[in-house]
Amino acid sequence: GIQVEQSPPDLILQEGANSTLRCNFSDSVNNLQWFHQNPWGQLINLFYIPSGTKQNGRLSATTVATERYSLLYISSSQTTDSGVYFCAVQETSGSRLTFGEGTQLTVNP
Amino acid sequence: GAGVSQSPSNKVTEKGKDVELRCDPISGHTALYWYRQSLGQGLEFLIYFQGNSAPDKSGLPSDRFSAERTGGSVSTLTIQRTQQEDSAVYLCASSQYRTGNTEAFFGQGTRLTVV
Repeated sequence: GIQVEQSPPDLILQEGANSTLRCNFSDSVNNLQWFHQNPWGQLINLFYIPSGTKQNGRLSATTVATERYSLLYISSSQTTDSGVYFCAVQETSGSRLTFGEGTQLTVNP
Repeated sequence: GAGVSQSPSNKVTEKGKDVELRCDPISGHTALYWYRQSLGQGLEFLIYFQGNSAPDKSGLPSDRFSAERTGGSVSTLTIQRTQQEDSAVYLCASSQYRTGNTEAFFGQGTRLTVV
């Protein structure tokens, strides 16, 4: 099956700093999503981005499908950005979502 | 409803008992996924339903686990003879199934504790 690797596994920032999270995947994908898992365990959809670039406020994401990676950018980080960020991919329509191991982000005031 | 709904939110059960967890997907979504997340860990795939196709059960950890989806909507995950290692948060997601948009949305999860 497809392999998904996220880096870094842990990231500690001061409030206001910028960061880049990376997701590498081993095969062509039909779907790629970024999620934020908040401290209460809820998975929040950030981006549905099988290819291209999207922006939503302080967050943006880019997926280069031909090179099999995606990047999540967080600018001017806030303490509420803390939590685990997951990348998940789907090889073809009609198949499972495969998750990476996540990046644990801590933003200190 | 507007989102994926799971019930119960929390379940405490005695070792050896059977439990049923319920998932109501977003209306119109034909794909449904179950995952398990142990404390501090990532998401472990359990089972995937898509329309009338045979489900992908390859993630079920043992024959004590089963799931069904009635009428293409509500799904129930059943764990028989629960063990302490079954303690985890069980997450359900749903998505549309059509070219161009298969974005999945998750419910709030069911926290299962086996004592």
